Amino acid sequence: DSGVTQTPKHLITATGQRVTLRCSPRSGDLSVYWYQQSLDQGLQFLIHYYNGEERAKGNILERFSAQQFPDLHSELNLSSLELGDSALYFCASSVVSLVDGELFFGEGSRLTVL
Amino acid sequence: GENVGLHLPTLSVQEGDNSIINCAYSNSASDYFIWYKQESGKGPQFIIDIRSNMDKRQGQRVTVLLNKTVKHLSLQIAATQPGDSAVYFCAENQAGTALIFGKGTTLSVSS
Repeated sequence: DSGVTQTPKHLITATGQRVTLRCSPRSGDLSVYWYQQSLDQGLQFLIHYYNGEERAKGNILERFSAQQFPDLHSELNLSSLELGDSALYFCASSVVSLVDGELFFGEGSRLTVL
Repeated sequence: GENVGLHLPTLSVQEGDNSIINCAYSNSASDYFIWYKQESGKGPQFIIDIRSNMDKRQGQRVTVLLNKTVKHLSLQIAATQPGDSAVYFCAENQAGTALIFGKGTTLSVSS
């Protein structure tokens, strides 16, 4: 158990809908990272937050947005969903802002868009 | 854009053999690398890391080698066990604020 909690574990929805994925980092970790893993694909970096502020953006679509709240949990919002958005979405956390050590990953949220 | 990739998508070995998983990176400015293991249905787990001022680092049954001249990273697993079966990713520190992952190598260990 990494200490990172992601909900929901599974989510099935229809095209055009909007969903919110939630992540609670390890106790004491200030950084949250979101990654997308599609079938047979590696982990695509989406976005990084540190202590409530956005620090880096990767290949995140404009239909997607994220935020980190004062209690340090984070939410990833996916809107106008398309079939191609079906994927595993991982959250990871670390203590610091700069990547200078291990990222701890949650178990992921599996999104299926029908 | 620059990214981290792996040479082979799959690797099959016999139990007890040594495994070598390779990774080529293209960003010469990267100064920190990590290997992760992802078992089916789980999130990636840290295996070992290495900084650019080193060329070798050893852990328990694992060794990471870094060749900055040819921008190559490898993970060696000694006495591979069935429990080592998983997808292995290398990742590089990009601009200090995110880890960029390659596509992964699936290691299959047969007994």
